[in-house]
Amino acid sequence: KAGVTQTPRYLIKTRGQQVTLSCSPISGHRSVSWYQQTPGQGLQFLFEYFSETQRNKGNFPGRFSGRQFSNSRSEMNVSTLELGDSALYLCASSLAYSRGTGELFFGEGSRLTVL
Amino acid sequence: GQQLNQSPQSMFIQEGEDVSMNCTSSSIFNTWLWYKQDPGEGPVLLIALYKAGELTSKGRLTAEFGITRKDSFLNISASIPSDVGIYFCAGRSGANSKLTFGKGITLSVRP
Repeated sequence: KAGVTQTPRYLIKTRGQQVTLSCSPISGHRSVSWYQQTPGQGLQFLFEYFSETQRNKGNFPGRFSGRQFSNSRSEMNVSTLELGDSALYLCASSLAYSRGTGELFFGEGSRLTVL
Repeated sequence: GQQLNQSPQSMFIQEGEDVSMNCTSSSIFNTWLWYKQDPGEGPVLLIALYKAGELTSKGRLTAEFGITRKDSFLNISASIPSDVGIYFCAGRSGANSKLTFGKGITLSVRP
C-alpha cells in the first residue's frame, strides 16, 4: 500500500512569510504526527493528531499550528517564518489503540529553507 | 521532559565488523523503536520492542528492550556499505504519549 506522502518536498521562503505543508497518511492510519529535524537537535516533536483532534503538542511557539481533516490528511502551518525554521519537516502516521500504536511510519519530509 | 541519550554522535567501522548501539533514558518506556534514516529520506522503522527483556532479530539486526525499561540496544552484525546512515532510537511511555527520539548515531562503514 502507498506510504506517507508529503508535499511539497522542497520549498524556499523568506523571513516573515508563512508556509503550509501537507501530509497524506497511509490508508487506514488515523494518527498523524509532525516532527522538525535539524542537524543539531535531531527530531523534535511538533504535534500529533487523531480523529481531527490534537492529542499531543510539543514545545514550539504558537507560530506552528496544524490540523487534521476527516479523511486523516493533515496540514501544518508556520507563520512569520524565521531563519531558524529552516529544517526538514517530517510527517508520520500510525494506527492507534492497537499493539502497533508505537510504530510511526514516516514520509520523506518537506525541506524548508528560509532566507 | 523525557530525553533519550545516544552516543557517540558518530561511529566508524570496517565492513564486516559488528557494531552495537545503545539508548538510555532516565524515564521508563513501554515501547522502544529503532529507525534508520538514509540521506534525503525519512526514517524507516527497523525493529519495534514492546516488552521488557524482549530480544528481537531481523536479518543482521538484533535489538533488545532493557529489563529496567530505561534502555535499549541495537546490534548490527557483519556490516555492509548500505548500513551507512543515521540510527535513531525512540521510546513511548504510554499508548497515548508522544514518541520521543534520541539525537541519532551516524554510522559510517569503510569498505
